[in-house]
Amino acid sequence: QVQLQESGPGLVKPSETLSLTCTVSGYSLTSGLHWGWVRQPPGRALEWIGSINHRGTTYYNPSLNSRVTMSVDTSKNQFSVRLSSVTAADTAVYFCARDGGDGYKFGVFDFWGQGTMVTVSS
Amino acid sequence: EIVMTQSPATLSVSPGERATLSCRASQSVSSNLVWYQQKPGQAPRLLMYSASTRAPGIPARFSGSGSGTEFTLTISSLQSEDFAVYHCQQYNNWPLLTFGGGTKVEIK
Repeated sequence: QVQLQESGPGLVKPSETLSLTCTVSGYSLTSGLHWGWVRQPPGRALEWIGSINHRGTTYYNPSLNSRVTMSVDTSKNQFSVRLSSVTAADTAVYFCARDGGDGYKFGVFDFWGQGTMVTVSS
Repeated sequence: EIVMTQSPATLSVSPGERATLSCRASQSVSSNLVWYQQKPGQAPRLLMYSASTRAPGIPARFSGSGSGTEFTLTISSLQSEDFAVYHCQQYNNWPLLTFGGGTKVEIK
């Protein structure tokens, strides 16, 4: 069974950089597919942040493009996201998810992590 | 950017009744649309892909329809475990993915 688990600080100060890692089990990142990050501010809609494949090719939401960096570490079966210059508007639950598995087209997230709450506050 | 709009924001339904949720795209997404179900404190769960195909393990009371810009998710007879928030998301414009605002299905 594919499982994803987010990890990282739950509290980040304004203007600093938010950094999260997603550890994948039950599936090797080197087998292909894409891996994404999605966030959900409290009481609001889901927002796609970006996606990465096992080669490190990245795709970012244009609204966050200048602040987002994603990376992959296939030796640890992990992928990560960094969001710089955070403000209170970046407070959200952050999810990692598998994109395009089991024959789905890319853009279909079939497995998700449980999510991690990140609060931006001084 | 393709904007996804869901309606209504909240739907009050009695158990056993039918629920009909709508999702509209600002431009055609063909049939490249998914529906997710999300319960409080949980991650979204894939319900439907290609607008009308149920994901593995999803009960037959869930059905999806539509193409282009207008989509519908129907739950034929609501069970207690179906009260949740439902999100639509287009992937026609992959890798630029966009979600709707969600519809909360609550107990009437």
